[in-house]
Amino acid sequence: SQTIHQWPATLVQPVGSPLSLECTVEGTSNPNLYWYRQAAGRGLQLLFYSVGIGQISSEVPQNLSASRPQDRQFILSSKKLLLSDSGFYLCAWSPGLAGTDTQYFGPGTRLTVL
Amino acid sequence: DQQVKQNSPSLSVQEGRISILNCDYTNSMFDYFLWYKKYPAEGPTFLISISSIKDKNEDGRFTVFLNKSAKHLSLHIVPSQPGDSAVYFCAAYYGGSQGNLIFGKGTKLSVKP
Repeated sequence: SQTIHQWPATLVQPVGSPLSLECTVEGTSNPNLYWYRQAAGRGLQLLFYSVGIGQISSEVPQNLSASRPQDRQFILSSKKLLLSDSGFYLCAWSPGLAGTDTQYFGPGTRLTVL
Repeated sequence: DQQVKQNSPSLSVQEGRISILNCDYTNSMFDYFLWYKKYPAEGPTFLISISSIKDKNEDGRFTVFLNKSAKHLSLHIVPSQPGDSAVYFCAAYYGGSQGNLIFGKGTKLSVKP
């Protein structure tokens, strides 16, 4: 069966510090991968998605970047965190098949920028 | 412009009664709809989905209804249980969006014993 992991689970960082959140998927090949952010009262906002190694699409211009160095690894980064980067970050994967595209989410990372 | 709208931020229901969560969408290209359930500090879990070729899909206590002409879908939970208390997200997808799900802002359901 497929599983998705995210770490760390929680993170407190000062403004201006770098960020690296990691997501890995097991039990599947060539998944589509996604990064979302859930901010208070704003639902789930898609930040990045990737349909393959090295392929990243950005949905929202921001202070963050994403990379996919391996097929089942997705990394969310920032060089300098802002207060507004605080939120709950979720990684998700989907089978990448045409048609239905149910996404399955990881446990999330709670980021607090002080 | 919000393409998927959940206009009720919260809903309170008595245990054993029916919970009805509503969702409206504006993009007629959407052809697949999903409901996710989310507990605090956890990732959303997939609950139930429906294709635009259907108007109803049922899975145990959960039923999703789709009214394409009204661009409206709803999730019915019968009977509601305290463990159903969570935030419910409606999401929509169309084939041209490369798998991008568009989420509503969520409805917080509280089921009281």
